[in-house]
Amino acid sequence: AQTVTQSQPEMSVQEAETVTLSCTYDTSESDYYLFWYKQPPSRQMILVIRQEAYKQQNATENRFSVNFQKAAKSFSLKISDSQLGDAAMYFCAYRRLNDMRFGAGTRLTVKP
Amino acid sequence: EADIYQTPRYLVIGTGKKITLECSQTMGHDKMYWYQQDPGMELHLIHYSYGVNSTEKGDLSSESTVSRIRTEHFPLTLESARPSHTSQYLCASTSRGEAYEQYFGPGTRLTVT
Repeated sequence: AQTVTQSQPEMSVQEAETVTLSCTYDTSESDYYLFWYKQPPSRQMILVIRQEAYKQQNATENRFSVNFQKAAKSFSLKISDSQLGDAAMYFCAYRRLNDMRFGAGTRLTVKP
Repeated sequence: EADIYQTPRYLVIGTGKKITLECSQTMGHDKMYWYQQDPGMELHLIHYSYGVNSTEKGDLSSESTVSRIRTEHFPLTLESARPSHTSQYLCASTSRGEAYEQYFGPGTRLTVT
């Protein structure tokens, strides 16, 4: 079974600084999709960014970007110019066909 | 606006009661899911459905049951609530294509006393 590992239960960043959240996954497949989700305190989980495994180019969405290393099975999320509203739980996820797996999450704290 | 809804948002109920948590989506998604999540912790898949009349148990053993009679509706039922069922329950749906993310509802926070 595919597994997704987030090795950082908690991270902290100063407002306006950059932080990187780590994610590794295990799969024998070559075609799949990777996602980062954000779950703010007491609010709905939403998609932050997605990456297609067949694309070498790293996905970017405004201040959010990923470092996708397919051979290393690594999919880290970089948040630039961190804002107070970025404080949340972040979940890394893998999807191939009907199989969707989530990591255990990383709690990000943003210090003013 | 397409969305996914869960009711109630909060529920406090006594041990032994039967409860149904409602989940509806307006996006026409075939696939729907129920997750159990303690606050700020990881998600555990407890049930999923790939379409009408299709339901499967997830990775985490659960005493709950689900039904999928209509595409847009995926209710979860606990026949006899226990304190161990106290948790947050998240409903999600997704399109058939694997490129698409899951859309999550706001969750139901259940407390069994």
